[in-house]
Amino acid sequence: DQQVKQNSPSLSVQEGRISILNCDYTNSMFDYFLWYKKYPAEGPTFLISISSIKDKNEDGRFTVFLNKSAKHLSLHIVPSQPGDSAVYFCAASHTILTGGGNKLTFGTGTQLKVEL
Amino acid sequence: DVKVTQSSRYLVKRTGEKVFLECVQDMDHENMFWYRQDPGLGLRLIYFSYDVKMKEKGDIPEGYSVSREKKERFSLILESASTNQTSMYLCASSFRDSILNQPQHFGDGTRLSIL
Repeated sequence: DQQVKQNSPSLSVQEGRISILNCDYTNSMFDYFLWYKKYPAEGPTFLISISSIKDKNEDGRFTVFLNKSAKHLSLHIVPSQPGDSAVYFCAASHTILTGGGNKLTFGTGTQLKVEL
Repeated sequence: DVKVTQSSRYLVKRTGEKVFLECVQDMDHENMFWYRQDPGLGLRLIYFSYDVKMKEKGDIPEGYSVSREKKERFSLILESASTNQTSMYLCASSFRDSILNQPQHFGDGTRLSIL
């Protein structure tokens, strides 16, 4: 039972344009959502997060949007750069239930390719 | 910067061997985690630990065990390695905070091949 889904295995975008990566979840108890970026042969690196009390969080070129009623979140990268080419994982947790344990449930990832 | 160090980048073992994967973090994090990453399946949680000597099963604990004797070190043990345990193994750590959400920080992974 995949509680966090990334339905697009890959995405190709031109340099300078917007990249939009999507993620859907089924567990309404999730209250904290994160995006990680992963280069080959490296571990995932934390990118940006959002709490369920917000609907938007912005950090430089990266913005995460959360639509709780649709159980959907998205990551916008503007403008996209070749160095953004990586696999992006969304993840979710229910912080209160885990008492700060921060157990995460990950999606299957989207490979982003930013072309020149 | 948070540093999570996994002892080996690449490891090749034989079926039936007992395999140890080691992970050390230098940020005094309470929580530590072991995942495996497989194509098309994302990251799946094997085991995690909230404190020294404490452990909890994740989503796919079968065939694995863990040890946390010191706060900074979390070991994953494959009791009798099988070919379906060939995978990329990732260790992560985070602060334990029930009020403020804390992201997990990952090591660079160990690519384990079981022959």
